[in-house]
Parts: sequence; C-alpha cells; structure tokens
Amino acid sequence: DSGVTQTPKHLITATGQRVTLRCSPRSGDLSVYWYQQSLDQGLQFLIQYYNGEERAKGNILERFSAQQFPDLHSELNLSSLELGDSALYFCASSVGASDIYEQYFGPGTRLTVT
Amino acid sequence: TQLLEQSPQFLSIQEGENLTVYCNSSSVFSSLQWYRQEPGEGPVLLVTVVTGGEVKKLKRLTFQFGDARKDSSLHITAAQPGDTGLYLCAGVSKTTDSWGKFQFGAGTQVVVTP
Repeated sequence: DSGVTQTPKHLITATGQRVTLRCSPRSGDLSVYWYQQSLDQGLQFLIQYYNGEERAKGNILERFSAQQFPDLHSELNLSSLELGDSALYFCASSVGASDIYEQYFGPGTRLTVT
Repeated sequence: TQLLEQSPQFLSIQEGENLTVYCNSSSVFSSLQWYRQEPGEGPVLLVTVVTGGEVKKLKRLTFQFGDARKDSSLHITAAQPGDTGLYLCAGVSKTTDSWGKFQFGAGTQVVVTP
C-alpha cells in the first residue's frame, strides 16, 4: 500500500459525458501527478501540482482539467469523453516538486468509455 | 516518440538466469527512476539514481546510471518468478521543451518461468 488513494476504482460512462477522478496523496506529500496509461501509449504524464499550484503540464488534452485543493487532494476532470479516453488513470504523490523526489502511485482508476 | 527508449520490449527467461534491461536517451537527465508494475496496479518505485556513473544494489537487482546521465541499466541476478512484471524507467529531461515533464519509457515486460 503506497498511501495514495484514488476513487473510484472503476468507472464506466458513455461518450460525451464528464467524469471526475479523485486522488488523496500520502500524508505529508505536497506534489500530485496525474498519468494516463493505455495499451498503445504507455504511461503518459498529464499534469503536476505542487502545494495547490500547477507545476508542470504534459500531454493533457484541453478537454481535461485538474486542480489541487487546500487539503492537497486533487481532482482530474475529463469532459466530452471519447472512446479513446478509455484507460487507466494514475495519481502519484511526492514530498517535493523536483524530479529527484520519489513518486508513490495510487492503485489507479480504470475508465471505460462506451 | 519516446524520449526514453527501453530495450528489449519483452524478455522471457527461466528461473535462475540473469537478465539486463536498458533505458537509453539522447537527452541528459538529472535523475532516473526505475519502477516495476504488475497488471492492473500502479508502478512501484525500485530505485532512484542521481549521480553519473552511480551503481546501486537492491538485493539481486543492480542499477547503473551512465556517466553522461543519458542512460541506465537494470541487471537482475538469478531471476525468480516473483521478478515477473513490467519494468519502467522514468525521469525529467533537461531539454527546454521537456522541462518539468516526467517521462516514462514504454517498459520491458519480464517473464520468469519456474
């Protein structure tokens, strides 16, 4: 158990819909990362937040948005869903903002868009 | 295009054999991390290498960071079935367009049969 929690574990929804994925980091960690993992793309970095502020942005679509709240939990919002958005979405946390800090991954949310 | 190229993509060996997985890039990384991921679960951090030329050992696993900090390798001695999994290398490149973006290699799937 990494100490990072993600909800829900599974999510099935239809195209065009909007969903919210939630992540609670390990106690004491200030950084939260979001990743998307699909069979053909591998693990793709989406976005990083540090202490409530956006720190780095990767291959995140405009239909996707995220935020980190004062209690440090984070939410990833996915809208106008397409079939290709079906994937495992992971959240990770680390104590600091720099890449030298170890990331701890949550169990993931499996999103299926039908 | 993957910034971090991992080879081989797939490795199947018998218990007791040795194996080496490679992670290469044309870019310099301040640090590289190695993870192991099992199906349906989040990656689990194995090690972080920071200094060029650094060698770290974790029981039967030996990790090496290249002198130029552009490549790394993972060597497993006397592999066991419990070593089966997807091995991923990851880091943040210091190139301008990749600054702050955590990159993962596509992974090497290792299967160790009894």
